[in-house]
Amino acid sequence: DVKVTQSSRYLVKRTGEKVFLECVQDMDHENMFWYRQDPGLGLRLIYFSYDVKMKEKGDIPEGYSVSREKKERFSLILESASTNQTSMYLCASRWTTSSQGASQPQHFGDGTRLSIL
Amino acid sequence: SQQGEEDPQALSIQEGENATMNCSYKTSINNLQWYRQNSGRGLVHLILIRSNEREKHSGRLRVTLDTSKKSSSLLITASRAADTASYFCATVLNQAGTALIFGKGTTLSVSS
Repeated sequence: DVKVTQSSRYLVKRTGEKVFLECVQDMDHENMFWYRQDPGLGLRLIYFSYDVKMKEKGDIPEGYSVSREKKERFSLILESASTNQTSMYLCASRWTTSSQGASQPQHFGDGTRLSIL
Repeated sequence: SQQGEEDPQALSIQEGENATMNCSYKTSINNLQWYRQNSGRGLVHLILIRSNEREKHSGRLRVTLDTSKKSSSLLITASRAADTASYFCATVLNQAGTALIFGKGTTLSVSS
């Protein structure tokens, strides 16, 4: 089974801090994703990465950046944390080929519940 | 950008009953996927249906897709308490490997 591991289940940080959320997958998947989930808003895509050192902005990239130096690891960075970034953050990965990527399921980690005080 | 919208937002049933959730979307899709999320956990993929398919089964799950109406339904037969979760539909718009676009979900409660 695919395992996607997020480094923390719960995290509390202060406004203005630089925050790192880490995600590791063990199945050599090319694609990785970061979402945030808020009540009433569902899942919204922050950033995704097709492969190592490649990244694309999602729907809500403002205030975030990402890093993908190795295939198995995708990091989400809050440059200067603000209270409106308090949320559940979910990482996902997906196996892909050029012709099959869209038809593959995504595999999710258990999420990091981040509180910014 | 919200592509899929689930209906109803919340559903409460008794064990043994069937649960039906609906999903409507706005633009043409490559495929539609259903996911389940238990409270406080990540999402788990349930089933994928391609745009050229009309119905698909997996165990107690039955998914239909009507591309003319831009809608899909998820039927869970003989529900169990363990089916209590939130269910999300997600769409893929094209073959370029773009990310999924999720709806806001249906919260299903199954009581024993």
